[in-house]
Amino acid sequence: KAGVTQTPRYLIKTRGQQVTLSCSPISGHRSVSWYQQTPGQGLQFLFEYFSETQRNKGNFPGRFSGRQFSNSRSEMNVSTLELGDSALYLCASSLIQTSGGLAQYFGPGTRLLVL
Amino acid sequence: DAKTTQPNSMESNEEEPVHLPCNHSTISGTDYIHWYRQLPSQGPEYVIHGLTSNVNNRMASLAIAEDRKSSTLILHRATLRDAAVYYCIDIIQGAQKLVFGQGTRLTINP
Repeated sequence: KAGVTQTPRYLIKTRGQQVTLSCSPISGHRSVSWYQQTPGQGLQFLFEYFSETQRNKGNFPGRFSGRQFSNSRSEMNVSTLELGDSALYLCASSLIQTSGGLAQYFGPGTRLLVL
Repeated sequence: DAKTTQPNSMESNEEEPVHLPCNHSTISGTDYIHWYRQLPSQGPEYVIHGLTSNVNNRMASLAIAEDRKSSTLILHRATLRDAAVYYCIDIIQGAQKLVFGQGTRLTINP
């Protein structure tokens, strides 16, 4: 099976612009999560989608939003970019676990630089 | 979210076993203990999880203390490819998000 793919891999934007990142989960995975990774804050959970519905949300401002399509592909959008939004954005997909474990499979990430 | 405590860094030699500790001081009865790792320039990857009993898979073994306040991830024969940041995470059953701490940066010497 193909892994989680994310596009684009690298992106440079300027303050005030908006950006859309895309994620294609592993075939058959219906849950898609997004994380932000920065040197200062580490890995932080942004949100999780399942069946086109946002089920969980992390502690990020409303400028960060996402959506999921019927084929489970997901996008996240950041509006009015700030310098502090420079980060690696990671997407992860998973099957819904019934055994108690959560095995999320991560993509390579999109590295966003805001100038 | 339950909080875990890990050493910032550890060092070991190639082909030797590595024991990575984790303290789960606030773990609850329905939390599953998970380990993930992040290799350089890659996204995190799932390693192993367990509830009360010790667990083995092709990547590692997980030893869980009887009171579940501590766990140890065991890499039986470390290779250079095992150099990564290792995270232990407590996840309530059914939850669909990971709360990462700072993790342990493992260095493997040739």
